[in-house]
This record gives sequence, structure tokens and C-alpha cells, in this order.
Amino acid sequence: AQKITQTQPGMFVQEKEAVTLDCTYDTSDQSYGLFWYKQPSSGEMIFLIYQGSYDEQNATEGRYSLNFQKARKSANLVISASQLGDSAMYFCAMTGPRDKLIFGTGTRLQVFP
Amino acid sequence: EPEVTQTPSHQVTQMGQEVILRCVPISNHLYFYWYRQILGQKVEFLVSFYNNEISEKSEIFDDQFSVERPDGSNFTLKIRSTKLEDSAMYFCASKETIRTDEKLFFGSGTQLSVL
Repeated sequence: AQKITQTQPGMFVQEKEAVTLDCTYDTSDQSYGLFWYKQPSSGEMIFLIYQGSYDEQNATEGRYSLNFQKARKSANLVISASQLGDSAMYFCAMTGPRDKLIFGTGTRLQVFP
Repeated sequence: EPEVTQTPSHQVTQMGQEVILRCVPISNHLYFYWYRQILGQKVEFLVSFYNNEISEKSEIFDDQFSVERPDGSNFTLKIRSTKLEDSAMYFCASKETIRTDEKLFFGSGTQLSVL
């Protein structure tokens, strides 16, 4: 069965610094997708970035980049130049059997001035 | 950017009552989903829906739950007789194709409180 593990329940980072949020996954599928979503205190789920299992280059979207290490089955999210508005819950997820998304337990990021 | 719209944003109900949560997926999307998130826990898959029928459902999605696409735009989740443990944030989501590399668009959620 597919599984996503996020081992950091909470992280702190100072404004303008970079932060890495960890995500490891387990799957026997050859083709899969890895996603990161942001959930602010208002509750909505905001798509941040996607990495396909066959993509050779790490995905980047503005200040977000995904450090994809396929052999280690890790898909860490790197946020550069943190902003106060980045404070939120961050979920790693992967496409599972029949395309449903399987989520990790999340990491709460707090950015302080 | 197009949006998935969910109504209401908050719903309070008494245990045993029926609730209907409503969603309007993005207009050209064909695949629809419901997820839920109990407070402080991870997001869990409930059901997927395509071509007017359920594609897959989780063990959470028992006989008390049903989904429907009554017209060309709405996608609803009905809970027939709510229980206290149904209290959660319910997210509707949609995507255009079945491709694994396509992102899922989420609505802003309905917070259901069962008293």
C-alpha cells in the first residue's frame, strides 16, 4: 500500500531564511505523482508544486522547489526567502491507486520576524 | 484561476439529521472527489466520481454517505443520519483528466459540526 510520511509535526523559520519540509513516500508503482499543498488557518487547500516520478529535474514554482530523490523515496519541499504569510500547515501527498490522493500528516510551519 | 466552489462554508446540525454538502466543480472537469479532514488530522479520501457513478470509495464511505451529480454543475455529498464523529472539514475536489500528473483543485471546504 502507498504511504506518505512527514516526520516534522512543526517547524520554525526566521523571515527571509530558507526552510526544508521533509516528506518520504512508499510505493511499488513505477508511475506516480508527488504534490505539496498549503493549508492556511482559513482552511482551504492550496496547490504549491508537483513532481512526476519520471521527471528528471526537480520541480520549481517561484520560491518553492521540490528536492526529489527517487532512490531514497523522498520529496522534500524547500521554501526560499520565507515570508510571514508562509505560516501554515503543509501537506505532502501522492497519487495512489486509481488516482486518489494520499496525504501525509502535515507539518505546521511558523515564520517569525 | 478557475475555482471549485463549496457551500455552505459552515454547517451545524444535530446528531441523526441529514446534511447535504454542495460543490460546483470547475466546468470542464470530469473527475470529482470528496475528502474530509477531522480537526488536527490528515486529509482522508472518501469517494471519487466519474461519468455519473462512483469510481472508488474508502471504508469511511459507508451506507450513510451518498454522492450525486443532479445536474450538469453541482456535485453533492449527503450524510443520511449524522454522527458526532462526522464532524470534520469536507473538501470537494475536481480535475480534468485521470492523469496522475494533473493537479487536483480543491474547494475551500465545508466545516461540518455535529452536536
